[in-house]
Order: sequence, then C-alpha cells, then structure tokens
Amino acid sequence: AQKVTQAQTEISVVEKEDVTLDCVYETRDTTYYLFWYKQPPSGELVFLIRRNSFDEQNEISGRYSWNFQKSTSSFNFTITASQVVDSAVYFCALSEAHNQGGKLIFGQGTELSVKP
Amino acid sequence: NAGVTQTPKFQVLKTGQSMTLQCAQDMNHEYMSWYRQDPGMGLRLIHYSVGAGITDQGEVPNGYNVSRSTTEDFPLRLLSAAPSQTSVYFCASSYISLGSTDTQYFGPGTRLTVL
Repeated sequence: AQKVTQAQTEISVVEKEDVTLDCVYETRDTTYYLFWYKQPPSGELVFLIRRNSFDEQNEISGRYSWNFQKSTSSFNFTITASQVVDSAVYFCALSEAHNQGGKLIFGQGTELSVKP
Repeated sequence: NAGVTQTPKFQVLKTGQSMTLQCAQDMNHEYMSWYRQDPGMGLRLIHYSVGAGITDQGEVPNGYNVSRSTTEDFPLRLLSAAPSQTSVYFCASSYISLGSTDTQYFGPGTRLTVL
C-alpha cells in the first residue's frame, strides 16, 4: 500500500533558525516519485521539488535542501535560516510510476510558523 | 499562459443543491485531476482523466461526477450537495510520460461550504 506520513503537524521556530520537515513514505514499487508542495496562507499550492526513486542525490536550492534516503524511506526537507515568508503548510507527496499520469498520495501536511 | 484556472473561488450551497466547479488549463496537459483538501487529511484524489473522453475514479469519488470533452476543461459536478462535501477543491494538470510521473500544477482552489 502506498502511504505518506508527515508526523509533525505543527512546527514553530524563530526567524533565522534552521528547521527540518520530516516525510516518510511507503510503497512497493521500485520506480516512484516524491514531491514537496508549499501552501502559503493565501491557499494556493506551489510546487517545490520532484525526485525520482533512482536519484538519491541531495538537492539544494538556495535556503532549501532535501535529503532523500531510500534505506529509511524518507524524503526530508530543510529550510536554513528560516524567514517569516516561509510560514506555510508543507506537503510531501508520492506517486508510483505505474499510475498513468501520476496519482499523488499526500501526507497530512506540516504547518510551519516562523516568528520574527 | 494562465496555467490552471478554477471558478468560482468561493461557493455556498444548501444541502441538495447541485453545482459545477470549473477547471481549465492552457498548457496542453493530457492529465487532469480533482482533489479535495480537508483539515488534517492532506489532499485526496476524487477523479482524474488521462485525456479527452477518458475519466476514472480516485480515492473519494462518491457524490461527484466528471467528464472530459476537451483537453482544456475538466469540470467537477456535485449532483446533490451534502455537508460532508464542505471542503477546498483543487484541480491539477500535468503531462503524461510513459513510465514516469510529471509534475502536477495546481489551480488556486475553490472553497465550498454546504449548509
């Protein structure tokens, strides 16, 4: 069965702190894709990253970095030197490649609050 | 490109009323889908389509109908609204690549309240 778990429901940090959002997934497929989306208070869903199961290289984009570890079925997201604008709900999602077009299975989301 | 557009942004219905949520995309994406977002449950797939004339059910299809007569449009119909359908609805679209999953891009959402 496919499943995504984001165990942290809410996280609160002070500006400039580093914060890591956890994501653990379950799948029987060997080919799958993992995603992170950001949902700011305005409500839209903003795509952040897509990763396939064969690429375990960590990725860094500015203050954002992602750590993909197949051994622990985790795809964690770290924000370095957090800012108030990072306050949002963050969703991790999984798609198995055999699903034509890619049905997304979402985690429950982690609400990040960055205080000044 | 306008991307994925949804109308209306907000809607209030009474129990038993029907309505259609509109979704359109101008990126020539083959794949379109509808999700609902409820507190503490993330987003759940309602229906999806891999091309004009082809639709299929997702995780929570009951109470919803869809059709796909063109590549661009994928409306979601509530035939007899119920309070349990109070939610935020998102439409998404993407390309289809064989053996791969392309990134889905989401519309701005429709907040629906059923009284």
